Amino acid sequence: QSALTQPASVSGSPGQSITISCTGTSSDVGGYSYVSWYQQHPGRAPKLMIYEVSNRPSGVSNRFSGSKSGNTASLTISGLQAEDEADYYCSSYTSSSTLVFGTGTKVTVL
Amino acid sequence: EVQLVESGGGLVQPGGSLRLSCAASGFTFSNYWMYWVRQAPGKGLVWVSRINSDGNNTNYADSVKGRFTISRDNAKNTLYLQVNSLTTEDTAVYYCARGKYVVGVWGQGTTVTVSS
Repeated sequence: QSALTQPASVSGSPGQSITISCTGTSSDVGGYSYVSWYQQHPGRAPKLMIYEVSNRPSGVSNRFSGSKSGNTASLTISGLQAEDEADYYCSSYTSSSTLVFGTGTKVTVL
Repeated sequence: EVQLVESGGGLVQPGGSLRLSCAASGFTFSNYWMYWVRQAPGKGLVWVSRINSDGNNTNYADSVKGRFTISRDNAKNTLYLQVNSLTTEDTAVYYCARGKYVVGVWGQGTTVTVSS
């Protein structure tokens, strides 16, 4: 039940693109197409941004995109905006029929 | 409107107990797996427990196994988490969340503070 590994922080200027990685194992990220990404602003509940690796829920900007290669998933935010400054967490379904979350990444808009 | 509303958190002494509740509305509660996820102050999201749609299959994180019990009452559209033998390490915001492979709906959280 080890957390998925994410970089602690990523930053970018408005308009730029940034990518957050999420590394797991073959028992979670690498074994399933059930990787999700969540955005969390301070004091707020997490919000689903990407599900099943690359799908966006209704209402989520198309500036957010997801992908996966092997045991590593990635979230890309293009056209970075001030409102994107938040914490981001990945999660994956696991071989134990549970979820595991990533360590979290703080995104700073410079 | 799909909604999850947690309650039952509070200040409790080490070794104490609480029963957290999560009232669901706006969807067919009995069709969904449910999770409890917690977040300690300044820390990340951590999965705590999950229960399948009819309540006969549960899982727990190693850190809470034997101390926490997840349950549900589908007739009352309510999810529960009985938390016993609390330690300071259990201090966190506890979220209930809906989903099986993806957690798509979250409550606003209830805060549990363990302190003497």
